[in-house]
Amino acid sequence: GAGVSQSPSNKVTEKGKDVELRCDPISGHTALYWYRQSLGQGLEFLIYFQGNSAPDKSGLPSDRFSAERTGGSVSTLTIQRTQQEDSAVYLCASSLEGGQIYEQYFGPGTRLTVT
Amino acid sequence: AQSVTQLDSQVPVFEEAPVELRCNYSSSVSVYLFWYVQYPNQGLQLLLKYLSGSTLVKGINGFEAEFNKSQTSFHLRKPSVHISDTAEYFCAASGGGADGLTFGKGTHLIIQP
Repeated sequence: GAGVSQSPSNKVTEKGKDVELRCDPISGHTALYWYRQSLGQGLEFLIYFQGNSAPDKSGLPSDRFSAERTGGSVSTLTIQRTQQEDSAVYLCASSLEGGQIYEQYFGPGTRLTVT
Repeated sequence: AQSVTQLDSQVPVFEEAPVELRCNYSSSVSVYLFWYVQYPNQGLQLLLKYLSGSTLVKGINGFEAEFNKSQTSFHLRKPSVHISDTAEYFCAASGGGADGLTFGKGTHLIIQP
């Protein structure tokens, strides 16, 4: 079956612009996660959704970052006024339910380059 | 909060030799541990996980790991590696809640012919 998909696969943007990254989880998966993978920081957890709600947004790096999920399916991660330090690969994962007994399936990521 | 340490950023190994990739985690009341693999230009794939029970966990592609609570370690092993095992390997931990994983910095496994 289809796995987690993310779009775009690559995004180059100028400093100060806003960007929107999209994640389509595996059908039927209620839990969705966003991570960031960068050379300096490694893999960082950003935010988790159970259904459409995110219980804890403290993992988002700054108030320029926001995320939403609608219809218990697609999620978008928005970065406003992008900075060069936002350059990274943004990974999305989904699992059947929240909780670590359920495997997280990862998408291929969106590579964001801020020039 | 959990923390995960992978001491080796790179491990070169000859083909068909055994390998061990080291992972240590910060102690916690409960901890769930994972190893993921990332092949070049691909997403993360789960190799194996420890939730509870037997401390020796077997995963895909012939990998296994042993949970050692006293040493707070979860080292990954394979008795004989192949060229196709060349990849980045990440150890991860969770406190068990419905939240994200804490990853180590990764170990690049380089298989030499």
